[in-house]
Amino acid sequence: GAVVSQHPSWVICKSGTSVKIECRSLDFQATTMFWYRQFPKQSLMLMATSNEGSKATYEQGVEKDKFLINHASLTLSTLTVTSAHPEDSSFYICSASELVTDTQYFGPGTRLTVL
Amino acid sequence: AQSVTQLDSQVPVFEEAPVELRCNYSSSVSVYLFWYVQYPNQGLQLLLKYLSGSTLVKGINGFEAEFNKSQTSFHLRKPSVHISDTAEYFCAVKLKTSGSRLTFGEGTQLTVNP
Repeated sequence: GAVVSQHPSWVICKSGTSVKIECRSLDFQATTMFWYRQFPKQSLMLMATSNEGSKATYEQGVEKDKFLINHASLTLSTLTVTSAHPEDSSFYICSASELVTDTQYFGPGTRLTVL
Repeated sequence: AQSVTQLDSQVPVFEEAPVELRCNYSSSVSVYLFWYVQYPNQGLQLLLKYLSGSTLVKGINGFEAEFNKSQTSFHLRKPSVHISDTAEYFCAVKLKTSGSRLTFGEGTQLTVNP
């Protein structure tokens, strides 16, 4: 149980294009999902907290117009990187908070490379 | 605000040796504690968690951790490691509020050598 999927697992795009990453909780409902960014050899950096049916809460320094987050259902949250640039290249990981145990389960991550 | 310190950035050990990965935290209120493992190019997998009750927590893959409130520590241990345990390990805390964020340590790279 408590499985979180992400799609795609990796994506390569041209500079200036937009990329959408999906995060799904497969066997539980998640009112809260989180989006992280991870640079090589570093810990996870929280980008935003996504609550179902409401606007996401972004961490300081994260551009909300660049990283659009939508949490339309209890099992799906999406992160759209708009007008991507090479500096947006990174490993993006989502997590979903399981309501009963209040434990975060993580997706496998999405490797984004912007050329 | 809470914070997490993982005292060792890298821990090299030989196969079948015991290992301890250290984690200390700081918080003005009670927190839940977690250990996650990350294999290369993968997401994080929950190893174990402490929510309440017994301070010795057993997790997957033979790992265990002990919550020590007086020392504000939550060290991870395994009596005999395998090559396959080579990975990055993250200690994390969160407030006892539903849906609250995790605060991570910087991670410890465990390398098990033959």
